[in-house]
Amino acid sequence: GAGVSQSPSNKVTEKGKDVELRCDPISGHTALYWYRQSLGQGLEFLIYFQGNSAPDKSGLPSDRFSAERTGGSVSTLTIQRTQQEDSAVYLCASTPGLVSIHEQFFGPGTRLTVL
Amino acid sequence: EDQVTQSPEALRLQEGESSSLNCSYTVSGLRGLFWYRQDPGKGPEFLFTLYSAGEEKEKERLKATLTKKESFLHITAPKPEDSATYLCAVQSGTGNQFYFGTGTSLTVIP
Repeated sequence: GAGVSQSPSNKVTEKGKDVELRCDPISGHTALYWYRQSLGQGLEFLIYFQGNSAPDKSGLPSDRFSAERTGGSVSTLTIQRTQQEDSAVYLCASTPGLVSIHEQFFGPGTRLTVL
Repeated sequence: EDQVTQSPEALRLQEGESSSLNCSYTVSGLRGLFWYRQDPGKGPEFLFTLYSAGEEKEKERLKATLTKKESFLHITAPKPEDSATYLCAVQSGTGNQFYFGTGTSLTVIP
């Protein structure tokens, strides 16, 4: 079946502009994660959604970052007033849920460049 | 605080030259340790999950092992197509997060 998809694959924006990044998880997966991967760094956790529960936002680096998940499926990560340090690859992953331990299935990522 | 450290940062091997990658971790109650492979410009691809010390898993030329403090990814007789960055992640029993190491960049030279 289809894997996790993300769009756009690349985004170049000017400092101060807002951007929206989209993630389509695997159908039926109830858990969805957003990560940021900067050059030479590990994956940095941003936010976690599980079903209809309140999201775990503990990884969001500032109030310029927000995310929502509509209908328990598609998720959008929004970065307001982008800064150059926001330049990174943003990865989305989904898992079937918390019933048992599951590996994460990752999308290809969105490469964000802030000029 | 849950933490994952991978070594070495980079590894160059001749084709056929076996070696091991290390993942050291500190976690409050390990739920699972995961190995992923990441090719340039792509998202990580799942390789293995290990749940308890002493567990081993194999897939083709790769074998993952787990102790109470670290995991090893052994690569036997590697081929150039094994060149990639290998990521280790842990999930603890206290939260929803996965903690990733910074990865080992493996290059296998023909």
